[in-house]
Amino acid sequence: KQEVTQIPAALSVPEGENLVLNCSFTDSAIYNLQWFRQDPGKGLTSLLLIQSSQREQTSGRLNASLDKSSGRSTLYIAASQPGDSATYLCAVSFRPYKYIFGTGTRLKVLA
Amino acid sequence: EAGVTQFPSHSVIEKGQTVTLRCDPISGHDNLYWYRRVMGKEIKFLLHFVKESKQDESGMPNNRFLAERTGGTYSTLKVQPAELEDSGVYFCASQGGWNTGELFFGEGSRLTVL
Repeated sequence: KQEVTQIPAALSVPEGENLVLNCSFTDSAIYNLQWFRQDPGKGLTSLLLIQSSQREQTSGRLNASLDKSSGRSTLYIAASQPGDSATYLCAVSFRPYKYIFGTGTRLKVLA
Repeated sequence: EAGVTQFPSHSVIEKGQTVTLRCDPISGHDNLYWYRRVMGKEIKFLLHFVKESKQDESGMPNNRFLAERTGGTYSTLKVQPAELEDSGVYFCASQGGWNTGELFFGEGSRLTVL
């Protein structure tokens, strides 16, 4: 069964810290992996998309890496800010067009 | 450019009633998806359209759910009759093409069945 797991489920850090969110998946044959952010009561905002041929993607203070052989992706957030507080979701497509989501990591950055 | 829009944002109905959710994808996006999140669970795939054709509806819970995408533009998801376990947030997403891969989500439609 193809599954996506995110650890930790929740994280609380002081402002300014660098942090890493983890996503693991059970099958290395993936097409894409996408990281999203969800604010309470809102939709999902795409942060980074990593295609299967790529190893990492960067956008501003965010960096996502992909290691298919070990079934892992990490989202690195540099110099965290209170505005980064949200739920971060990892979604993996094991087949074209069909994404499986992890349960997310709830991040709280304290001012 | 307008994003993915969903209507209504929140619907409260009684068990046995019917509800229709609507999604307008990003203009030009052939791929449209419906996902659902029930309380405390992960977001789960319901179905996928390419233009007006259903490519994969393996995630639809049962035959009380009917999705359509007439003309390959907007899509509707009808629940008839609604049951208590149908409560949750229904998300729509659109995607330009498989090799671009990026999904764009709407704000979701929260359904509460009493």
